[in-house]
Amino acid sequence: DGGITQSPKYLFRKEGQNVTLSCEQNLNHDAMYWYRQDPGQGLRLIYYSQIVNDFQKGDIAEGYSVSREKKESFPLTVTSAQKNPTAFYLCASISPRDSAHLSNQPQHFGDGTRLSIL
Amino acid sequence: GENVEQHPSTLSVQEGDSAVIKCTYSDSASNYFPWYKQELGKRPQLIIDIRSNVGEKKDQRIAVTLNKTAKHFSLHITETQPEDSAVYFCAASDDNQGGKLIFGQGTELSVKP
Repeated sequence: DGGITQSPKYLFRKEGQNVTLSCEQNLNHDAMYWYRQDPGQGLRLIYYSQIVNDFQKGDIAEGYSVSREKKESFPLTVTSAQKNPTAFYLCASISPRDSAHLSNQPQHFGDGTRLSIL
Repeated sequence: GENVEQHPSTLSVQEGDSAVIKCTYSDSASNYFPWYKQELGKRPQLIIDIRSNVGEKKDQRIAVTLNKTAKHFSLHITETQPEDSAVYFCAASDDNQGGKLIFGQGTELSVKP
C-alpha cells in the first residue's frame, strides 16, 4: 500500500554492527507491527505498538529493539545480538479498531527491507 | 498462545481448476481471519477476510469458509488463472490482542497453463 514506506529496500550488516530499518506511514494508523520472514516460511511477529510511546514484544523479539516516538514512525533496530539477521523484514499498520463493530481491521504492509550479512 | 497450521505447503493445479487451502487455529478466542497473497519478493496483499460472526464470504472467484466449532477455515479459488500463482498465507487474531496476527506457514500455489 502506498501509505506505508519502508527503507532501505536492501541493507547489509557487518559483524557487530547495529542497523536500523525505517517504517513510516501516513495513514493515521494507531497500531504498527514488525514481522520477519525467512525463505519459505510464514511471517513471525517481532514487535508491535498500539500507541505512541508504547510497544510490546512479539514472538521473536530477542536481538531487536524498537521505538515509537511519533505516530507515523516505527523504526526497528537489528542489534549485534541478533546472530542470524538475514531475512525479509515487513512493517505493517492497522487502522483504529472499529468501535462500532468491535472487530479487527486488516493489516496493510510496506514493501519490505531485505537484510543480509556482509 | 495462538497457533495456526496451514496445509498444503505446495499446491499445483491446472488452469481453470479449483484450489483449496486449509488452516486450523488453536485459540477459540480468535475472531478475525484474513488471507494474504504474496508474490515473489513483494509485500503480502490482503485478498479476503472473515470474522467469526460469518460462516462464508465470497468475492468473485475467491471464497473463505469458517467452521468455529472445528476451529478451521479455508480459502477457495475457482477458475484458477496463471496470475493466481503465488504464496498464500492465512492468519488469525483475537479482538483483544491489539491486532496481533498469527500467520500460517504459507502455501505455494502454482497454476499451470
